[in-house]
Amino acid sequence: GAVVSQHPSRVICKSGTSVKIECRSLDFQATTMFWYRQFPKKSLMLMATSNEGSKATYEQGVEKDKFLINHASLTLSTLTVTSAHPEDSSFYICSARDPGADTQYFGPGTRLTVL
Amino acid sequence: GEDVEQSLFLSVREGDSSVINCTYTDSSSTYLYWYKQEPGAGLQLLTYIFSNMDMKQDQRLTVLLNKKDKHLSLRIADTQTGDSAIYFCAELDQAGTALIFGKGTTLSVSS
Repeated sequence: GAVVSQHPSRVICKSGTSVKIECRSLDFQATTMFWYRQFPKKSLMLMATSNEGSKATYEQGVEKDKFLINHASLTLSTLTVTSAHPEDSSFYICSARDPGADTQYFGPGTRLTVL
Repeated sequence: GEDVEQSLFLSVREGDSSVINCTYTDSSSTYLYWYKQEPGAGLQLLTYIFSNMDMKQDQRLTVLLNKKDKHLSLRIADTQTGDSAIYFCAELDQAGTALIFGKGTTLSVSS
């Protein structure tokens, strides 16, 4: 099946620094990518929808200035957590929509720990 | 708004069948999905069903859809210890693009 990669898989940073997470679709072109956040023992929460070449659409309650999303190409979307704080520590998962299969494929996730 | 509900835990013995249930609210959902998440890993698409189907079978997996009751179930036959994971059901949102997830059912398989 289709593969979506994320990098890095795990990152630890100091409070106040910014962290960039990359999401790549490896064998299909994804016009739409999604960023989810997963809290411990809870479900996935959709943060934003990223469309190639346009601004991301953020869900209610998600700060667009804090979680910067860039979808510069059909195979790459990035999420930058700016001025990270301990409460931003979480598991961030991206997904990419394969229009040919009309389904979403998920990346392996990035574990962010902010000290 | 859309909402997806699942029971949180299921415990079975190896070799038994597991049935994970899910209810959803958006009757216009065209696709419903089951994902599996192993510890520390991302999500793996297990199977999906189109809303005009009642049942879909894929090897050990059987998905049943009751559209009238907005009820979806996943049956795993001959459950193995390797099936231990969290299982999420999801529906497409009203825009037909993003996925709305349930909280996940933790399946524990004992030998």
